[in-house]
Amino acid sequence: ETGVTQSPTHLIKTRGQQVTLRCSSQSGHNTVSWYQQALGQGPQFIFQYYREEENGRGNFPPRFSGLQFPNYSSELNVNALELDDSALYLCASSPQRGARETQYFGPGTRLLVL
Amino acid sequence: AQSVTQLGSHVSVSEGALVLLRCNYSSSVPPYLFWYVQYPNQGLQLLLKYTSAATLVKGINGFEAEFKKSETSFHLTKPSAHMSDAAEYFCAVIRGSSNTGKLIFGQGTTLQVKP
Repeated sequence: ETGVTQSPTHLIKTRGQQVTLRCSSQSGHNTVSWYQQALGQGPQFIFQYYREEENGRGNFPPRFSGLQFPNYSSELNVNALELDDSALYLCASSPQRGARETQYFGPGTRLLVL
Repeated sequence: AQSVTQLGSHVSVSEGALVLLRCNYSSSVPPYLFWYVQYPNQGLQLLLKYTSAATLVKGINGFEAEFKKSETSFHLTKPSAHMSDAAEYFCAVIRGSSNTGKLIFGQGTTLQVKP
């Protein structure tokens, strides 16, 4: 069984650019959540997708947007990159939405904004 | 609103010693609580979770945690530390009635294991 995978592993962008991060959910999982983890901090919830619809959003501006595809893989898009967007971006998938479900995390994409 | 506080950003123990990582939560409704571990340059791995069943939860790698409602705590313990336990540990909470998987994480505790 393949776990959660993310691409790319590392990325360097400059301020003002746009970036797309990708996540493949674990087989059988229909829910994907995205988190931002700044250096030395705990992860912060960006948003969750369930069956291709957004199912909750954290305190992130609209320039953070997402998408979930019919195969339940997902993308995180960030427009107008700022220096503070430099972080590890983690994707997690779960079998269903809801508090009881365990979220299985991928290895993350490390984004550096210069 | 839910939140977690992890007491101690760094904990250092000797190999073979007891590991105790502290987590206190704040929640207006019954919470679900989780402990995750993060090894360097990796994602998060679930150690254990509390979802209102038994208050003493056993996890992987010999870790366990006890939910104490009166103390609003969910401390993580392991009787005997191993060098491979050195990592970052995160406590997280979700509102039990939530239909959204919005995990709220603490700041993390770095565990150092000395030989």
